[in-house]
Amino acid sequence: QKEVEQDPGPLSVPEGAIVSLNCTYSNSAFQYFMWYRQYSRKGPELLMYTYSSGNKEDGRFTAQVDKSSKYISLFIRDSQPSDSATYLCAMSTNMIIFGKGTRLHILP
Amino acid sequence: DTGVSQNPRHKITKRGQNVTFRCDPISEHNRLYWYRQTLGQGPEFLTYFQNEAQLEKSRLLSDRFSAERPKGSFSTLEIQRTEQGDSAMYLCASSPLGGRVETQYFGPGTRLLVL
Repeated sequence: QKEVEQDPGPLSVPEGAIVSLNCTYSNSAFQYFMWYRQYSRKGPELLMYTYSSGNKEDGRFTAQVDKSSKYISLFIRDSQPSDSATYLCAMSTNMIIFGKGTRLHILP
Repeated sequence: DTGVSQNPRHKITKRGQNVTFRCDPISEHNRLYWYRQTLGQGPEFLTYFQNEAQLEKSRLLSDRFSAERPKGSFSTLEIQRTEQGDSAMYLCASSPLGGRVETQYFGPGTRLLVL
């Protein structure tokens, strides 16, 4: 079992819809949980990070962590075509372990 | 632009040749990381510097790979005797001393194709 599991997609949703992206993990030692956005042929860009279980909101983005279930989510409200990208979940102890990334397409 | 920069952005080489990539971190960032990303995968950690000291190396970093950060500023990653399996995006990231590991800022990457 890989340390971080993420469905690669692709996930296609209409503009304006709520997007839900998820990851599961196996290592209880992970302390920080991150979401990165990566556009084609670009480096990853940190969107959000959180430390504890619960929700963290930043504009249209909400990150959710459930440590008891080893499950994290990213919700995107009012999705826009510019949100089309690959979304990588990542977790860290002393180094970052990335998921494979989910390719997201927002259809105009 | 004061972000992380990487050069070249693209490199095509023949199998067996040596290649060198350069990373310029954000000014005053003491920590510098190298990652490799293959198609359909997330970035995988290769190595990490704090100032000029290379503190950690992944088992992915075979003997053909060497990284340096001689003055604690820019870093180079060299791959000797390239193989087709080395084709990937090589990403560099930097973070400030005292910053948590998750506060890394990534560069645009160098895309390597080995023919």
